[in-house]
Amino acid sequence: SQKIEQNSEALNIQEGKTATLTCNYTNYSPAYLQWYRQDPGRGPVFLLLIRENEKEKRKERLKVTFDTTLKQSLFHITASQPADSATYLCALDISGGYNKLIFGAGTRLAVHP
Amino acid sequence: DVKVTQSSRYLVKRTGEKVFLECVQDMDHENMFWYRQDPGLGLRLIYFSYDVKMKEKGDIPEGYSVSREKKERFSLILESASTNQTSMYLCASKSGNYEQYFGPGTRLTVT
Repeated sequence: SQKIEQNSEALNIQEGKTATLTCNYTNYSPAYLQWYRQDPGRGPVFLLLIRENEKEKRKERLKVTFDTTLKQSLFHITASQPADSATYLCALDISGGYNKLIFGAGTRLAVHP
Repeated sequence: DVKVTQSSRYLVKRTGEKVFLECVQDMDHENMFWYRQDPGLGLRLIYFSYDVKMKEKGDIPEGYSVSREKKERFSLILESASTNQTSMYLCASKSGNYEQYFGPGTRLTVT
């Protein structure tokens, strides 16, 4: 069956450290993978997109990797801050950029001062 | 900035009632989506629309219908609300770029 898995347990880290979140999937061949941030009681906000032919993408303190052989994406936040505390969702685009995103359940990140 | 608004943040309805959730976007996006979000399950696509009066079923359309009479507005209808439709409902829109822009969500409780 098709599945997207993100760590269901919250990730707790100290301020200043690098947070690494994992997104694993099975039985999909996504053209793109996206990461979103969601704060409590709010809708998700887009952060980064990485294509199947890209190994790595960076934006400020964020870095995403995409390994289509391992069927895994890693999302890194360097020099983490308490304001980075949120739930992070990965989403697979299985329609080549058209309309269908499949979302993981998300991982909650808590950055402690 | 893209703005997606939803008609209500919180809604409480009784079983069997007809429920309308409305979503409006202000960036002339062609595509609009309705998701529901439940703990541990992530966002699941109910319906989407790629043009006025056009709609496609998502992964969980049963018990729902949609309407898109104007480009900026996409409505989700629960014909006869049931308790298992208690959830957070999120609307999103996008244009030719790939990211989706989400509204703040409507937390619907069916009693």
